[in-house]
Amino acid sequence: QVQLVQSGAEVGTPGASVNVACKASGHTFTTYFIHWVRQAPGQGLEWMGVINPSVGTTTYAQKFQGRITMTRDTSTTTVYMELSSLRSDDTAVYYCAIAKESVQYCYFDPWGQGTLVTVSS
Amino acid sequence: QSMLTQPPSVSGAPGQRVTISCAGTSSNIGIGYDVHWYQQLPGTAPKLVLYGQSNRPSGVPDRFSGSKSGTSASLVITDLQAEDEADYYCQSYDSRLRLKLFGGGTKLTVL
Repeated sequence: QVQLVQSGAEVGTPGASVNVACKASGHTFTTYFIHWVRQAPGQGLEWMGVINPSVGTTTYAQKFQGRITMTRDTSTTTVYMELSSLRSDDTAVYYCAIAKESVQYCYFDPWGQGTLVTVSS
Repeated sequence: QSMLTQPPSVSGAPGQRVTISCAGTSSNIGIGYDVHWYQQLPGTAPKLVLYGQSNRPSGVPDRFSGSKSGTSASLVITDLQAEDEADYYCQSYDSRLRLKLFGGGTKLTVL
């Protein structure tokens, strides 16, 4: 079945960068876009951006423009999300998710298990 | 601050019916973008329970249903079970903000 497995927890210092991996399996890697969503402790879900694994094009939420980079490696069917200039309020669980989408809809299924990123000096 | 507004909490006894609302605006639900719902059990990733307002993925019980009207949508859970206790999030797309938008989440407590 379609599955996303994420890399383990990370600790980053303020101002540094963190890179989270998301390995896809169970489907043709280039078929579905992969999105990133984060959740701060005790808070709701926040969409960060999307990558098209087929051609590597990306779209980022304006809030993260300039700090976020999504890439993919088709040989290992893995997508990566790098967040730079880390701040304490970047402490969150980061999820990758496969999207089923068209002009009218976009929903996420399935999701990776999540990666806790803690920003601390 | 999310542009999809959900009640922070709802509750119901086992066997009862609960409704979770999701109020949007003319730049998201009101303009025709679909609404989807996720269930998040404590310490786990969100799980899709409804897509396109009212469609259930395989494995989701038919106790879960949904609808959309105007600028709002609703998730209804009938015959409430203890295992339904979780956070629920609605999600759509906002054309003004140009992003996938989530509601603030609703904590469902089964009494």
